[in-house]
Amino acid sequence: GESVGLHLPTLSVQEGDNSIINCAYSNSASDYFIWYKQESGKGPQFIIDIRSNMDKRQGQRVTVLLNKTVKHLSLQIAATQPGDSAVYFCAESASGYSTLTFGKGTMLLVSP
Amino acid sequence: GAGVSQSPSNKVTEKGKDVELRCDPISGHTALYWYRQSLGQGLEFLIYFQGNSAPDKSGLPSDRFSAERTGGSVSTLTIQRTQQEDSAVYLCASRSTGAYTQYFGPGTRLTVL
Repeated sequence: GESVGLHLPTLSVQEGDNSIINCAYSNSASDYFIWYKQESGKGPQFIIDIRSNMDKRQGQRVTVLLNKTVKHLSLQIAATQPGDSAVYFCAESASGYSTLTFGKGTMLLVSP
Repeated sequence: GAGVSQSPSNKVTEKGKDVELRCDPISGHTALYWYRQSLGQGLEFLIYFQGNSAPDKSGLPSDRFSAERTGGSVSTLTIQRTQQEDSAVYLCASRSTGAYTQYFGPGTRLTVL
């Protein structure tokens, strides 16, 4: 089946920097996209999601951008903090009610 | 309110033994999913329950894996005759009717010796 992948396995930034985590997807029929944060030993924690009828959505310190033309998704974290250090997963589904297909994840390392 | 809970948090078993993993979804959530996460990997879909509909079992890797959901709430994932390659973190997620977001539990780490 089609899958979602990530461009960068590890991203190292300084505290206060803005971080951008990228994700490519291959299923043009995908309608729903979501980002999760996973800290060591914990389950994935919902960050932000977006539907295919939008190209941008903002949350608290986070923004998700969707480019359907090139099938690309990104997560922007403003003023990155050490507590943001975790693995970030993007996922997609053909509809929000169906199962999610996950990418392999990007490790974000934030140095003080 | 309470999130998704899973038990046990850790399970160590011997090859060939059967194991049962439990998931308590968020109260009122009608959809429940099981995923598996192997070391350093993304999440792999296993099975999906939606209300009283027949479950989507398309992600189960072999007939040693099965799951049930009793009373539309608690779910149990059973792995029979465990193998070392079954070692992974098993994650459960639930979703409310009409919403898209899946909320995950903390997972059960299964180690097969």
